Amino acid sequence: NAGVTQTPKFRILKIGQSMTLQCTQDMNHNYMYWYRQDPGMGLKLIYYSVGAGITDKGEVPNGYNVSRSTTEDFPLRLELAAPSQTSVYFCASSGQGGTEAFFGQGTRLTVV
Amino acid sequence: QKEVEQNSGPLSVPEGAIASLNCTYSDRGSQSFFWYRQYSGKSPELIMFIYSNGDKEDGRFTAQLNKASQYVSLLIRDSQPSDSATYLCAVRGVHGGANNLFFGTGTRLTVIP
Repeated sequence: NAGVTQTPKFRILKIGQSMTLQCTQDMNHNYMYWYRQDPGMGLKLIYYSVGAGITDKGEVPNGYNVSRSTTEDFPLRLELAAPSQTSVYFCASSGQGGTEAFFGQGTRLTVV
Repeated sequence: QKEVEQNSGPLSVPEGAIASLNCTYSDRGSQSFFWYRQYSGKSPELIMFIYSNGDKEDGRFTAQLNKASQYVSLLIRDSQPSDSATYLCAVRGVHGGANNLFFGTGTRLTVIP
């Protein structure tokens, strides 16, 4: 049972480059989230989605974009990478009714 | 004011002692409360959730919720070195959407053998 799968696990980007962090879940969850976690800090919500075709901004959306064309996939796009986006990114999903969130293994991104 | 606040620690307890972790939240409409454990370099994993006022016990772990005081806590009895991790409090709130899950900054716990 795969759960939430994120790729890649590690990535180094140069300033100004773009990339897409992939996230897919096989639990048929409606809700999906992207968080970033800076060293020694908690998780901050970047974007979330309550279902296919519906996305909305979280606490720290600037510099990111998302799409949700299917229930399973929720990719996060960085268009112009900046050093401030160096962080660990976690994708998560949850089912209906306020249940727990399940996390992917994270993507460690460094922007140099 | 932050949505969820935790004492960042670090908190050190001897093996076999009770570890007490605390969390406050700002949104009175919050309905669901979660404690996650995160080992260094790993993703968060759920330990417990609680929806109603009072205590909820699961093995060595007890979650306590007081909605009037907007306070949730986690007690770990008979602490073990393997409990050493960062503990994240999460609250499902209504700001910006009914199912947003807001996290505190976490409390780092060290259990000393």
